[in-house]
Amino acid sequence: AQSVDQPDAHVTLSEGASLELRCSYSYSAAPYLFWYVQYPGQSLQFLLKYITGDTVVKGTKGFEAEFRKSNSSFNLKKSPAHWSDSAKYFCALESGGSNYKLTFGKGTLLTVTP
Amino acid sequence: AQTIHQWPVAEIKAVGSPLSLGCTIKGKSSPNLYWYWQATGGTLQQLFYSITVGQVESVVQLNLSASRPKDDQFILSTEKLLLSHSGFYLCAWSRQGGDTQYFGPGTRLLVL
Repeated sequence: AQSVDQPDAHVTLSEGASLELRCSYSYSAAPYLFWYVQYPGQSLQFLLKYITGDTVVKGTKGFEAEFRKSNSSFNLKKSPAHWSDSAKYFCALESGGSNYKLTFGKGTLLTVTP
Repeated sequence: AQTIHQWPVAEIKAVGSPLSLGCTIKGKSSPNLYWYWQATGGTLQQLFYSITVGQVESVVQLNLSASRPKDDQFILSTEKLLLSHSGFYLCAWSRQGGDTQYFGPGTRLLVL
């Protein structure tokens, strides 16, 4: 079984601060990991993914994420944060190959105050 | 460039009535297609996936069914809506398993 945990339901920070959204996963083999963003009233937009290779992956909108196998984490980072980053962020895991199941975490609602 | 379209944009339906939601992708042949459901303020639950025309796999049972009548079309339906079907339905596509899934604009459903 595979699962994704986003322990912070809500994160608030000031514009210009550094943001880090936490994501941990449970999966017995090498995971494919993704981050998506959902702005209010909208669908999901892809930010970045980790498949293999470099443990720090860069994505769109200035975001990056670090894969840490040692503690099964894939945290999303950005510095500095901008008020327009306010949205809900979802971490997701797919077991890869011919398995088509994408498992999402519960999401973290990020509020960046001006 | 690939584009994904969902219809309708929103629906208000009565409990017990039928439902049909559609998804079309243009610009990509033989995509993998997926249906997701999101409760208001909640996470996303994968419902179905399809890797080829005529073949659909169910991931979770929610009294819904799906079909893929054409290479570029994916349909979600039920004959009898429940209150619990309310939410946001998202269609997604990918090139293959393990690849990034790209989401459509979604359909909002309210069941009364």
